Amino acid sequence: TQLLEQSPQFLSIQEGENLTVYCNSSSVFSSLQWYRQEPGEGPVLLVTVVTGGEVKKLKRLTFQFGDARKDSSLHITAAQPGDTGLYLCAVGVKTSYDKVIFGPGTSLSVIP
Amino acid sequence: DAGVIQSPRHEVTEMGQEVTLRCKPISGHNSLFWYRQTMMRGLELLIYFNNNVPIDDSGMPEDRFSAKMPNASFSTLKIQPSEPRDSAVYFCASSLVREQFFGPGTRLTVL
Repeated sequence: TQLLEQSPQFLSIQEGENLTVYCNSSSVFSSLQWYRQEPGEGPVLLVTVVTGGEVKKLKRLTFQFGDARKDSSLHITAAQPGDTGLYLCAVGVKTSYDKVIFGPGTSLSVIP
Repeated sequence: DAGVIQSPRHEVTEMGQEVTLRCKPISGHNSLFWYRQTMMRGLELLIYFNNNVPIDDSGMPEDRFSAKMPNASFSTLKIQPSEPRDSAVYFCASSLVREQFFGPGTRLTVL
């Protein structure tokens, strides 16, 4: 069983639309990260959330950490083709300061 | 800063051959990770070094895989002998404080 579940697995939308993707688990985490991976490249960290209920904004991207620190959402407003990529959530491992576990990802395609 | 450097970017080899992937982490980072990414299994952690010492190799699929980090600026991942099911993109990442910086990856195709 996966520690992290992400939904939807695939998403294809038109430029200008809004969307939300989700990262869920039955476990509680001290922090959660979101990465974006563009085609042909490695993942790049977008944000780290650490407090239950925390909301962080990065331009058109809004990240929220669930109150119980078991889930998170990423909302994109007015999606653009440059937002196309694989969005991965990741959580730290208690026994290791640097090790993280990645979710399976949501593959987003924004059509011009 | 050049970021994490991986070589080669692409590797095509025949089943049974030895493959060596190379990684230069970001200077000053004390943790290094090797990942494998496939459509079926996503991003999997293979092995993790901290201060050049292997900490967790539970993700290494089998004895055909080995990794070394002889110094703070270089690591290798070796597959011997390679098999078609090893075909994937292999990423190296380094970190200092939980944020991981990934290299561009090596796309390995084993025929």
